[in-house]
Amino acid sequence: EPEVTQTPSHQVTQMGQEVILRCVPISNHLYFYWYRQILGQKVEFLVSFYNNEISEKSEIFDDQFSVERPDGSNFTLKIRSTKLEDSAMYFCASRGTTDEQYFGPGTRLTVT
Amino acid sequence: SQKIEQNSEALNIQEGKTATLTCNYTNYSPAYLQWYRQDPGRGPVFLLLIRENEKEKRKERLKVTFDTTLKQSLFHITASQPADSATYLCALDLYNYGQNFVFGPGTRLSVLP
Repeated sequence: EPEVTQTPSHQVTQMGQEVILRCVPISNHLYFYWYRQILGQKVEFLVSFYNNEISEKSEIFDDQFSVERPDGSNFTLKIRSTKLEDSAMYFCASRGTTDEQYFGPGTRLTVT
Repeated sequence: SQKIEQNSEALNIQEGKTATLTCNYTNYSPAYLQWYRQDPGRGPVFLLLIRENEKEKRKERLKVTFDTTLKQSLFHITASQPADSATYLCALDLYNYGQNFVFGPGTRLSVLP
């Protein structure tokens, strides 16, 4: 069964450093999303992406964040200058023509 | 402001019983509502979607209802098993065009053998 993959599974970085989280969505899906989940809290929407551009973004998704689909398979989330409060699980999701989202296993980001 | 609530943070039930989880929302007019399952340290897994014109949806031991007047969805697991233990999330499409989803805080279900 096709699945969304994410790398790395765990990323440790120092405050102020840039990180890139990578996702490979399901191959025929057209809509892509990033979410984050701070430990013990709810899943929060960050951004959606369709047709090579951002469709929607939340208040969390400020100028420190950017997304890119550099080729036909990868979808990346970049955080330019990480802060302690960016520590969270980051989930990528993709969707085809139905309303069902498929989530990846997540990347645990730890900012020290 | 818009809000999604799930009835309780945690719910314990005996194996074989029916678990009922509640999702309430305010200041939304969702065209549909989704339910997901999340296991610790894993991504959410889609379970069911119910549209505003559907009163009830079933999938195996799962049943979802949607009452747009009460602004509430109920999620039932019948004949519950310890393997059903997980956190269950409801989610709404904020603008009803599939680009911005809001998740509830989740209910952590424990099915005791």
